[in-house]
Amino acid sequence: DTAVSQTPKYLVTQMGNDKSIKCEQNLGHDTMYWYKQDSKKFLKIMFSYNNKELIINETVPNRFSPKSPDKAHLNLHINSLELGDSAVYFCASSQDTLETQYFGPGTRLLVL
Amino acid sequence: AQSVTQLDSHVSVSEGTPVLLRCNYSSSYSPSLFWYVQHPNKGLQLLLKYTSAATLVKGINGFEAEFKKSETSFHLTKPSAHMSDAAEYFCVVNPFSGGYNKLIFGAGTRLAVHP
Repeated sequence: DTAVSQTPKYLVTQMGNDKSIKCEQNLGHDTMYWYKQDSKKFLKIMFSYNNKELIINETVPNRFSPKSPDKAHLNLHINSLELGDSAVYFCASSQDTLETQYFGPGTRLLVL
Repeated sequence: AQSVTQLDSHVSVSEGTPVLLRCNYSSSYSPSLFWYVQHPNKGLQLLLKYTSAATLVKGINGFEAEFKKSETSFHLTKPSAHMSDAAEYFCVVNPFSGGYNKLIFGAGTRLAVHP
C-alpha cells in the first residue's frame, strides 16, 4: 500500500513547456505539502494546503501553481519551465498542520 | 531565526562500527526534531522524531538520537553500521512558528559504509 504517491516519477521536458505533477495520499491526512530538492540535496518547502486551503506559500515564482481538488490530492502545475526548475519535487502529508510529515517518492524533473 | 546545522557533509565508517551524525539546531520555540533518511534515488523516510517527551528517542533500523537542550544538539547514532545504512541523512526542525508545520531541513550528511 503506497501511502503518498506521486506521478510521474520522472519528467523530462523542454524549456518553455507547461507541466503538472500529481500527488495523492491514502492516509486520511488533511494537510499536504510540496518541497523542492535542488542539485545539492537541499530541501525547501514551497506550499502547504490544509483541508484544500493554501496555508503556506513560500517565495516561489508565480509560474508555480498548486491546486488541491480534495484533501487527498495536491497537484503542482508549472508554467513556462526554466532550466533552474530542474530538481526533485517531493510531496508530503500530515494528519494536521502540526503532525509528522510523510513523504512521497519524489518526481525528478529535468528541463532541457 | 530557526535553523539546522549538520556538522558533517560526509561521514565514512566501516561495517560493524558505530555511526555518529551530528546536528545542531536553533529555535525560538520548543521545537520538534526529526531525522529523515534518503536512499539513492528514493524518497524520504522518517527515522525518528523528538516531540518533548523522552530525550533519548529510538527509531527504526537501530538508530537513536538524544535531544540535548543545553547543547542545542540532536545527534543521530547507531551502535553498528550495516551496508544498507549508506544513504543521505537529514536533520529537520519544526519550530512551530506561526502554528504551521514548516519543516526546516539541514543540508544533509552522506553516510558511506565500507566492508
